[in-house]
Amino acid sequence: GAVVSQHPSRVICKSGTSVKIECRSLDFQATTMFWYRQFPKQSLMLMATSNEGSKATYEQGVEKDKFLINHASLTLSTLTVTSAHPEDSSFYICSARGSVSGEVYETQYFGPGTRLLVL
Amino acid sequence: AQSVSQHNHHVILSEAASLELGCNYSYGGTVNLFWYVQYPGQHLQLLLKYFSGDPLVKGIKGFEAEFIKSKFSFNLRKPSVQWSDTAEYFCALYTGTASKLTFGTGTRLQVTL
Repeated sequence: GAVVSQHPSRVICKSGTSVKIECRSLDFQATTMFWYRQFPKQSLMLMATSNEGSKATYEQGVEKDKFLINHASLTLSTLTVTSAHPEDSSFYICSARGSVSGEVYETQYFGPGTRLLVL
Repeated sequence: AQSVSQHNHHVILSEAASLELGCNYSYGGTVNLFWYVQYPGQHLQLLLKYFSGDPLVKGIKGFEAEFIKSKFSFNLRKPSVQWSDTAEYFCALYTGTASKLTFGTGTRLQVTL
């Protein structure tokens, strides 16, 4: 159990276009979903936290108008990078927090990540 | 503010050597602690977790960690590493106050044959 999927796994786009990344918790309901950015050989940087049906909470320094997050259901969250530029090229990772069947406590599980390259 | 420190940035071990990766945190209240592993080219996977109860927790692939509250530590151990354990290891802290994971900077483990 505890599978989080992301789609697409890799995307290349032209500067100025928008890119949508989907994150799904496949076998549990996620009370909260998180979006991270990971730079090469570095730890994860939290971008935003979202709860189903609520507006996302963005970390300091993250532009909410540039990184649009929609958390439509307990199993789906999307991140849209609007008007992408080369500096947005990165590895974006989503994470879902919830209780897998049989677990008492909630745990955070991570998706495989999406490699975005903006030309 | 809560924080997590991983003092070993890069560890190189020979196969069959014993492993201990340090993790210290700063937070005065109740904590949940995790170790995640990221194998080359793969996503973060949960190795083990501590919520309450027995401070010695066992995870997958022969890993274990001990929560020592008095030392604010949650060190990861494995008696005998394998080449396949080569990966990046992240310690993480969750508190109800922050409602999010705080990660350490990670430790890169390289196991040589």
